[in-house]
Amino acid sequence: DIVMAQSPDSLAVSLGERATINCKSSQTVLYSSNNKNFLAWYQQKPGQPPKLLIYWASTRDSGVPDRFSGSGSGTDFTLTISSLQAEDVAVYYCQQYYSTPYNFGQGTKLEIK
Amino acid sequence: QLQLQESGPGLVKPSETLSLTCTVSGAAIDNSYYYWGWIRQPPGKGLEWIGSIYYDGSSFFNPSLKSRITISVDTSKNQFSLMVTSVTAADTALYYCARLGRTDTLLGYYFGYFDYWGLGTQVIISS
Repeated sequence: DIVMAQSPDSLAVSLGERATINCKSSQTVLYSSNNKNFLAWYQQKPGQPPKLLIYWASTRDSGVPDRFSGSGSGTDFTLTISSLQAEDVAVYYCQQYYSTPYNFGQGTKLEIK
Repeated sequence: QLQLQESGPGLVKPSETLSLTCTVSGAAIDNSYYYWGWIRQPPGKGLEWIGSIYYDGSSFFNPSLKSRITISVDTSKNQFSLMVTSVTAADTALYYCARLGRTDTLLGYYFGYFDYWGLGTQVIISS
């Protein structure tokens, strides 16, 4: 199984500042045949289901603000919020879909400082 | 607009079988060539993928749950379902159904990220 580990577990950032969340997989999720990283990011607000933000490590889903960006390759990935807004308070999860079982990271709780 | 809605009993006794259904609206399961899946979230914890199914019934599961899981699809009702046998308190969770997003390329199609989610249904295992 591919184990996903996020850091930090929680993060407090001032409004307008940059927030960075890291995700590390225990094995590569880069598929050499198509050069794609099988890595997604989700945002979960209290009382809501997760919302897909990014897939293929860096492709924003439709309607996701461009302040959200994903980067990285192989085993190390980053979700960056360039200018934190109040509505970005949530728990963020990474997920690998390179192989089953599809595993998620433990989550990073993002708060306002 | 695609929508998914989970339904099922909110309370199940230990050792019994949990049964949930996901009703899909806005698209036909058998005409969309997508996989569909179940994910759960224990109280205050993270997300766990349970298993996924294609419209033709082919399915794959999380090995940690495989011996207790059945996922089926009913295209006539545009639904897919989850059964978990021999439940314990550890199966208490918010259960979500979701669609697996698909990307078509010249090399083929790839899937595995969850692009549409239901609101979830809370299941408590208790006598």
